[in-house]
Amino acid sequence: EVQLLESGGGLVQPGGSLRLSCAVSGFTFSSYAMSWVRQAPGKGLEWVSNIRGSGGSTYYTDSVKGRFTISRDNSKNTLYLQMNSLRAEDTAVYHCAKRRTNSNYEPIDYWGQGTLVTVSS
Amino acid sequence: QPVLTQSSSASASLGSSVKLTCTLSSGHSSYIIAWHQQQPGKAPRYLMKLEGSGSYNKGSGVPDRFSGSSSGADRYLTISNLQSEDEADYYCETWDSNAKWVFGGGTQLTVL
Repeated sequence: EVQLLESGGGLVQPGGSLRLSCAVSGFTFSSYAMSWVRQAPGKGLEWVSNIRGSGGSTYYTDSVKGRFTISRDNSKNTLYLQMNSLRAEDTAVYHCAKRRTNSNYEPIDYWGQGTLVTVSS
Repeated sequence: QPVLTQSSSASASLGSSVKLTCTLSSGHSSYIIAWHQQQPGKAPRYLMKLEGSGSYNKGSGVPDRFSGSSSGADRYLTISNLQSEDEADYYCETWDSNAKWVFGGGTQLTVL
């Protein structure tokens, strides 16, 4: 059974940093691309970042480029999102998600429950 | 970059059928999309990958009541024999050759 479990969310002041983690199980982690998708309170889904299986290729939505860094440790079956220079508009539930293959051209097929990040003074 | 347009809300009666629409922006009518369901307070769930030809591939455990189809730039999700648990938000997702992924705004489905 595929499982994705996020952690690391919390309350942080504007300009602060936070690192999210996603521990996965039930599939060969290194063989699949992974994503972070966020959902602001009461709003829809927004893609944030993607990383290929080897970790060598990463992609970001424009609003987080230069502030967020996605990475993975395939030996620990864990996905990360380092978030710096946080803004109020980054407040959201952050979902870890698995893609159907290691390709850039496949949809998400499994989602984590998410971890809430609140940016406020 | 493609844009996905969805109606904000839809409703249908218990036991009936409903057809939700996701429309691709101009120049992107051949794109593949995916449908996801998000029940209240829960994580999203992958339903299916849907091609422009109308061919679709469902996720594990997705009931037969869910099906997909396509016409031009429109991608459809049809839910037959509506159940109370189908009351949820439904999102479409697509991606482009520049490695950008987008979601539609979502359709909130109410089962009457």
